Amino acid sequence: KQEVTQIPAALSVPEGENLVLNCSFTDSAIYNLQWFRQDPGKGLTSLLLIQSSQREQTSGRLNASLDKSSGRSTLYIAASQPGDSATYLCAVNSGYSTLTFGKGTMLLVSP
Amino acid sequence: DAGVTQSPTHLIKTRGQQVTLRCSPKSGHDTVSWYQQALGQGPQFIFQYYEEEERQRGNFPDRFSGHQFPNYSSELNVNALLLGDSALYLCASSLWEGMRGYTFGSGTRLTVV
Repeated sequence: KQEVTQIPAALSVPEGENLVLNCSFTDSAIYNLQWFRQDPGKGLTSLLLIQSSQREQTSGRLNASLDKSSGRSTLYIAASQPGDSATYLCAVNSGYSTLTFGKGTMLLVSP
Repeated sequence: DAGVTQSPTHLIKTRGQQVTLRCSPKSGHDTVSWYQQALGQGPQFIFQYYEEEERQRGNFPDRFSGHQFPNYSSELNVNALLLGDSALYLCASSLWEGMRGYTFGSGTRLTVV
């Protein structure tokens, strides 16, 4: 059974800092991994999708890496802004028609 | 290009009642999945529908049932509501096995009193 862990659970940083969110998973047999953003009480917005054959994906200030053999992914946010404040969720697609989620990292970026 | 649409956005029900939530997938997607998200937790998989059939089911009781229509839209039904069913219900659409990722809707907030 796939298990996904996200560290840290919460993070508070001043505006402008670069930061790293961590995601680990127990079964390396994955199809892909997806990072989502969730604002309070809202749905999930997809940020980046990394296929199992890829090492990283970039979108603007966001960069996600994947090390499948060690069961780890990181989401790097450059030059953080108050608008980046949200919960960030890592989800692993191991097939079987399901996504397995971590509990998320709650990020607060203060002006 | 419309994304995933869910209705209603909020719902309040009494214990023991039944509820139906609705989802229209992103244009071009043929698979719909439902997730339950309790406060402070990650979403938990309920089930997935493809070609109008339930393809996979998570660890949820039979009180949770669903349906997919020929136009790929889907409904989630919950019978005999319990207080513990209060959660954000998320619908996600995708193509086969989510190889191009999943697109989620804004969710339905269900409160059972």
